[in-house]
Amino acid sequence: GQQVMQIPQYQHVQEGEDFTTYCNSSTTLSNIQWYKQRPGGHPVFLIQLVKSGEVKKQKRLTFQFGEAKKNSSLHITATQTTDVGTYFCGGAGSYQLTFGKGTKLSVIP
Amino acid sequence: SAVISQKPSRDICQRGTSLTIQCQVDSQVTMMFWYRQQPGQSLTLIATANQGSEATYESGFVIDKFPISRPNLTFSTLTVSNMSPEDSSIYLCSARTGGTEAFFGQGTRLTVV
Repeated sequence: GQQVMQIPQYQHVQEGEDFTTYCNSSTTLSNIQWYKQRPGGHPVFLIQLVKSGEVKKQKRLTFQFGEAKKNSSLHITATQTTDVGTYFCGGAGSYQLTFGKGTKLSVIP
Repeated sequence: SAVISQKPSRDICQRGTSLTIQCQVDSQVTMMFWYRQQPGQSLTLIATANQGSEATYESGFVIDKFPISRPNLTFSTLTVSNMSPEDSSIYLCSARTGGTEAFFGQGTRLTVV
């Protein structure tokens, strides 16, 4: 079945440093979605990428979808303490999402 | 968008008992799912709740342990049966329509003692 690998599992950064998490699928995806889960909260949708090579930005967050539609990345520029949480990618197959294990981001003020 | 109300938010249960978790969506959705998540860990899909038919379970999860109902397009329940301490976890329901984003309930933090 479809597998989605996500690295790194943990990332500790000083406030103001950049952060990147990577997602790789074993199969070609119809689309990929990114979610953020704050400590003690539930996953909240951030964005969906559909097209090969697509790049989307949300303020300090940049999302990329690979040309082969099998990998994706989320980059945060100049992290802030409000960025703390776990970031999950979700690879969309036929009808269900397959989530990566997530990257837990800690930001040191 | 969809808003999901999940309850209870948390519970402490005796081993051997069962707990039913409810999930109510404020709009009709095509798909509903149940996940389990250990604190700080990834999301593990338990099953897809199918409206009007039996749920589709993932490997490692069985209907006798996790019976699921979905009587209509806005409501689903998950029962954790004959609980043991290993069932202590956070249980999340999720809903999607088509290829769109997934919405999650607030989660149920279950502790089995």
